[in-house]
Amino acid sequence: GNSVTQMEGPVTLSEEAFLTINCTYTATGYPSLFWYVQYPGEGLQLLLKATKADDKGSNKGFEATYRKETTSFHLEKGSVQVSDSAVYFCAPHSGNTPLVFGKGTRLSVIA
Amino acid sequence: KAGVTQTPRYLIKTRGQQVTLSCSPISGHRSVSWYQQTPGQGLQFLFEYFSETQRNKGNFPGRFSGRQFSNSRSEMNVSTLELGDSALYLCASSLAAGFDFYNEQFFGPGTRLTVL
Repeated sequence: GNSVTQMEGPVTLSEEAFLTINCTYTATGYPSLFWYVQYPGEGLQLLLKATKADDKGSNKGFEATYRKETTSFHLEKGSVQVSDSAVYFCAPHSGNTPLVFGKGTRLSVIA
Repeated sequence: KAGVTQTPRYLIKTRGQQVTLSCSPISGHRSVSWYQQTPGQGLQFLFEYFSETQRNKGNFPGRFSGRQFSNSRSEMNVSTLELGDSALYLCASSLAAGFDFYNEQFFGPGTRLTVL
């Protein structure tokens, strides 16, 4: 089955700093790749996705590029804001099987 | 339109008791999935229901069960609670059955269950 390894948090950054959250995966077949975000007290929301190699998913200033050769889907943002403080989950998906989530990386952005 | 709602939001039970959690999907969504979220194990899939039928099941003991009603609302039940069942239980709804890429799941805020 699919599995994913995310960098352990928490990650603490100052406002306007550059963010990278690493994600590597193993998957059967040719997976689609997702990043989900969980804001405090809320459920998960889809942040961005990519379906094939070299695709770049982007949303709200966040980007991630599907790297098939390194089986990675690292999340980046050039300038984080306090409102980006949340837990971020990487999830590969292939076939008609449930999403498998990483353990999540907690991001805290301080003003 | 209204999102996925879950009730109750917080629950405290003691070992050995049973609990029922409720999930109302987004209007028009017919699939409901349940997940358990814990600090140690992260997010783990429990089961998926579509048209009142369980379609997929995760690797959880039989104490965990669920059902779906004709209006797509779903409940999950945990019997004989154990301390390790303390978790955030998330429900997600989607338009169709299964986990195809195009079938985006929308998550509720969760029910926080504490077992004492």
